[in-house]
Amino acid sequence: GAVVSQHPSWVICKSGTSVKIECRSLDFQATTMFWYRQFPKQSLMLMATSNEGSKATYEQGVEKDKFLINHASLTLSTLTVTSAHPEDSSFYICSARDFDRAQGEGGGNIQYFGAGTRLSVL
Amino acid sequence: AQSVTQPDIHITVSEGASLELRCNYSYGATPYLFWYVQSPGQGLQLLLKYFSGDTLVQGIKGFEAEFKRSQSSFNLRKPSVHWSDAAEYFCAVGPPYNQGGKLIFGQGTELSVKP
Repeated sequence: GAVVSQHPSWVICKSGTSVKIECRSLDFQATTMFWYRQFPKQSLMLMATSNEGSKATYEQGVEKDKFLINHASLTLSTLTVTSAHPEDSSFYICSARDFDRAQGEGGGNIQYFGAGTRLSVL
Repeated sequence: AQSVTQPDIHITVSEGASLELRCNYSYGATPYLFWYVQSPGQGLQLLLKYFSGDTLVQGIKGFEAEFKRSQSSFNLRKPSVHWSDAAEYFCAVGPPYNQGGKLIFGQGTELSVKP
């Protein structure tokens, strides 16, 4: 259980184009998903929190108009990198939040991660 | 301030040897504690977690971790490392109960395994 699918796994695009990345929770419903960016040999940097049916919450320094997030259903969140430039090239990872079923009602949250998307902007 | 420290950036162990990866955290309350593993070019896989109860938790792939409240530590261990364990390991903390769910990650420890 708790599988998160991220697509595509690798995308190459020309500078100035937009790229959409999908994140799906396959066997659970996720009211909250997260989008991260990871630079080589570094830890994950949280970009935004995606909430189903409402606006995403962006971390400080992340451009909302550059990284558009849509969480239209309980199993799907999308990240669109608009007018991509070479500096946007990176590894993007999503996660979906599920409740810790081992703790039962009132338990905390666990994030399950997608396999990541390698974006290369030429 | 909330933070997670993984003091070792890179560790090399011989196959079959034991392993301990260190993790220290700073958090206002007792958080959820996690260890994730990331293979090159992949996402993160949950190895194990701790919130309450027995302070020694068992995870997948033969890993275990021990929570020590007095030391604010949550070190990951494995008695005998396999070559396939070579990967990046991240310690993370999250809020207890249903409080937002944001994780704070350590910088990661890269594990190399010698034959």
